[in-house]
Amino acid sequence: QSALTQPASVSGSPGQSITISCTGTSSDVGSYNLVSWYQQHPGKAPKLMIYEGSKRPSGVSNRFSGSKSGNTASLTISGLQAEDEADYYCCSYAGSSGIFGGGTKLTVL
Amino acid sequence: EVQLVQSGAEVKKPGESLKISCKGSGYSFTSYWIGWVRQMPGKGLEWMGIIYPGDSDTRYSPSFQGQVTISADKSISTAYLQWSSLKASDTAMYYCARHVFPHYYYYGMDVWGQGTTVTVSS
Repeated sequence: QSALTQPASVSGSPGQSITISCTGTSSDVGSYNLVSWYQQHPGKAPKLMIYEGSKRPSGVSNRFSGSKSGNTASLTISGLQAEDEADYYCCSYAGSSGIFGGGTKLTVL
Repeated sequence: EVQLVQSGAEVKKPGESLKISCKGSGYSFTSYWIGWVRQMPGKGLEWMGIIYPGDSDTRYSPSFQGQVTISADKSISTAYLQWSSLKASDTAMYYCARHVFPHYYYYGMDVWGQGTTVTVSS
């Protein structure tokens, strides 16, 4: 069971939009719209940003949005802010087991 | 306030056993799946397994099946992650997390513990 594929790094300037992809297979990402996304700042626990593919938990900025096409899910952050600089992970399920992506380091220039 | 509080940092020798804990409060502990996630130093998140405290139904990632044991004591709202014989490669931060909806585990994990650092060294 291999990790979902994410770009190692992405970057953007304040105010811009960026998209992080998360590619799996028809057995995981492609099966259901159940991808979740997590933000992790250094030394901190992960924080849920998107669940069930595109839903935001209470308190998460509407600058964060999720989508899916085929076997690839995406996290888009609009109006980049300095505090968005962090690692981002996607997570999906294959059968009864979950699987994370390798993580993407977002740098705000 | 809904929260998960994990046990403190551990330093162990190879071959020793260990059980770390995750205590839930502020919600119906028996109704939400709890997951365990490993993060090795400088690396990404890894999904280890989950447990439904209501009936101790447990699922493991194939990568961790047989390597760890996940359990729960619903009488004290606590989930556990256990090793019978630690290896140096078990050195990592371990997080527990609650799933978003009661009874289901596919949707995401919204409440996280603070993490437990496990160091295994001779």
